[in-house]
Amino acid sequence: QKEVEQDPGPLSVPEGAIVSLNCTYSNSAFQYFMWYRQYSRKGPELLMYTYSSGNKEDGRFTAQVDKSSKYISLFIRDSQPSDSATYLCAGLTRSGGYQKVTFGIGTKLQVIP
Amino acid sequence: DTAVSQTPKYLVTQMGNDKSIKCEQNLGHDTMYWYKQDSKKFLKIMFSYNNKELIINETVPNRFSPKSPDKAHLNLHINSLELGDSAVYFCASSQVSAGRTGELFFGEGSRLTVL
Repeated sequence: QKEVEQDPGPLSVPEGAIVSLNCTYSNSAFQYFMWYRQYSRKGPELLMYTYSSGNKEDGRFTAQVDKSSKYISLFIRDSQPSDSATYLCAGLTRSGGYQKVTFGIGTKLQVIP
Repeated sequence: DTAVSQTPKYLVTQMGNDKSIKCEQNLGHDTMYWYKQDSKKFLKIMFSYNNKELIINETVPNRFSPKSPDKAHLNLHINSLELGDSAVYFCASSQVSAGRTGELFFGEGSRLTVL
């Protein structure tokens, strides 16, 4: 079983739609949870991170973590064609100088104008 | 000014050859990583160096040997290349210090094709 499970999609939505991306995880040692965005032929870049259960909002993006059910979500409001990318959820474990980020397979999102 | 740069961006080579990928970061970070992204786009950690010391070594064949000459550089040498080594290799860096969660900064990737 992978430590972070994610539906690879693809997911196609019309412009302006609300997008919901989800992951589950199995590693209880994860201390932080992240969403990275990866455009085609580029490296991933951090979109949001959170360390506790609950919601965190940043503009059109909301990250949600439910540690009791080991469930991570990312909501995108008013989706734009520029949001078309692959979204990777990730869990992070750290101790002293050691940090390891484990990624899900990523969900490919296409926002159609 | 690119934060994490990798060379080369593309590599096409024959099975059995040896190849190297170089990475440099100008962010002043203390930790660097190699990740492999396979054809299914799964991004998996291979190695991590903190202040030139190897701290993460996932289950990777011995044919892969990382080297960190200093904090700003991390190279990956691959011996006796196999078809299954075809992938995109990403270098990343972060600042991992007490009380801080180090965001990963990725390079643009080195696309390796083994024929």
